[in-house]
Amino acid sequence: EVQLVESGGGLVQPGGSLRLSCAASGLSFSTYWMSWVRQAPGKGLEWVANIKQDGTETYYLDSVKGRFTISKDNAQNSLYLQMNSLRVEDTAVYYCASYFTIFGVVTKEYFDNWGQGTLVTVSS
Amino acid sequence: DIQMTQSPSSLAASVGDRVTITCRASQSISTSSVRKYLNWYQQKPGKAPKLLIYTASTLQSGVPSRFSGSGSGTEYTLTISTLQPEDFATYYCQQSYSLPLTFGGGTKVEIK
Repeated sequence: EVQLVESGGGLVQPGGSLRLSCAASGLSFSTYWMSWVRQAPGKGLEWVANIKQDGTETYYLDSVKGRFTISKDNAQNSLYLQMNSLRVEDTAVYYCASYFTIFGVVTKEYFDNWGQGTLVTVSS
Repeated sequence: DIQMTQSPSSLAASVGDRVTITCRASQSISTSSVRKYLNWYQQKPGKAPKLLIYTASTLQSGVPSRFSGSGSGTEYTLTISTLQPEDFATYYCQQSYSLPLTFGGGTKVEIK
């Protein structure tokens, strides 16, 4: 059974920093792209960042570029999101998700496993 | 950025009803009959989203066959053939054609 367990959320003041972690088990972590997706209270889903299997490529939502950094440690089966210069509008539940990818005649890309989420509240 | 628009934003239905949700992309998100970059997720209150359908019409393992997806180009549909009590939830479409990955605003399926 795949398990993704996030931690590190909490209350932080605007301008502050927080580091989220996601511990993965039950999947071949080193072969997966991984993602962070967030959901503001009462709102829809918003993709935040992706990281390639070996960590050599990263992609970000424009509004977090330069402030957030996604990373992964394949030896520890862990995914991270370093969040700096936090804003009130970053308040959300942050989900860790595995991003299944197959490229070829039939290309498939989708979020196939999700963690339970960790709440980040940015408020003074 | 590709905008994903779902309709309706909410609906009320009864157990046993047939339900159809539409998702429209602001540009084509398919490049051929076998390359369709549209996925569907189900989310229940306080829970993480769950993958239902990928590449527009392929049912994820373990998902009941009453769920089906279709579409191409810019227009896609999710159909629940016979609504069950456990299907009351919010449904999201998502495009994986290009970055940033984007989701529709969601369709909340409520009990009539």
